[in-house]
Amino acid sequence: GNSVTQMEGPVTLSEEAFLTINCTYTATGYPSLFWYVQYPGEGLQLLLKATKADDKGSNKGFEATYRKETTSFHLEKGSVQVSDSAVYFCALIPRGSNYKLTFGKGTLLTVNP
Amino acid sequence: DGGITQSPKYLFRKEGQNVTLSCEQNLNHDAMYWYRQDPGQGLRLIYYSQIVNDFQKGDIAEGYSVSREKKESFPLTVTSAQKNPTAFYLCASSIDLGSPYEQYFGPGTRLTVT
Repeated sequence: GNSVTQMEGPVTLSEEAFLTINCTYTATGYPSLFWYVQYPGEGLQLLLKATKADDKGSNKGFEATYRKETTSFHLEKGSVQVSDSAVYFCALIPRGSNYKLTFGKGTLLTVNP
Repeated sequence: DGGITQSPKYLFRKEGQNVTLSCEQNLNHDAMYWYRQDPGQGLRLIYYSQIVNDFQKGDIAEGYSVSREKKESFPLTVTSAQKNPTAFYLCASSIDLGSPYEQYFGPGTRLTVT
């Protein structure tokens, strides 16, 4: 089956620190990969995506590269801000007739000033 | 601005009552979805719909019902048969089902049943 595994949180960083949130996946074929962010009390917002191997998704200083050989899609940011505090979800949609968006359990990030 | 609206943001009901959560989108998307989120967990799919007048059960459909009479609207009814209805409910839409179409989410409705 399809699954997504994220590093467990919570992750606590100081402002301007480097962020990495690990994400690995299991899927048949080559899925499309996504990072979503959820701020407290809100819905999910699409942060970035990659639809094929070696693609790099980027947005708001966040980046993630689709690594087929390691089945990974790690989220990185060079310098986090207090406003980045949120829950981050890695997700995939497989290719073909399987429609389902499969999520990881989420990683809570807290950035302190 | 295009987007997805869910109302109300907070909803309180007594046990044994049915309740309907609203979801409207003006993105002209064909596919729509309902998810449930519980504390510390990822999202679980309740129902999805690819086109008007058609919908399918997701992973946890028991105790829920939906309708899709208009492209823009996909209301979810939480029935009294749902054993643990208190949760955060998220509606989403996408251009079509499956890869590579990303899903866009509404702001959510927090349902509390006592």
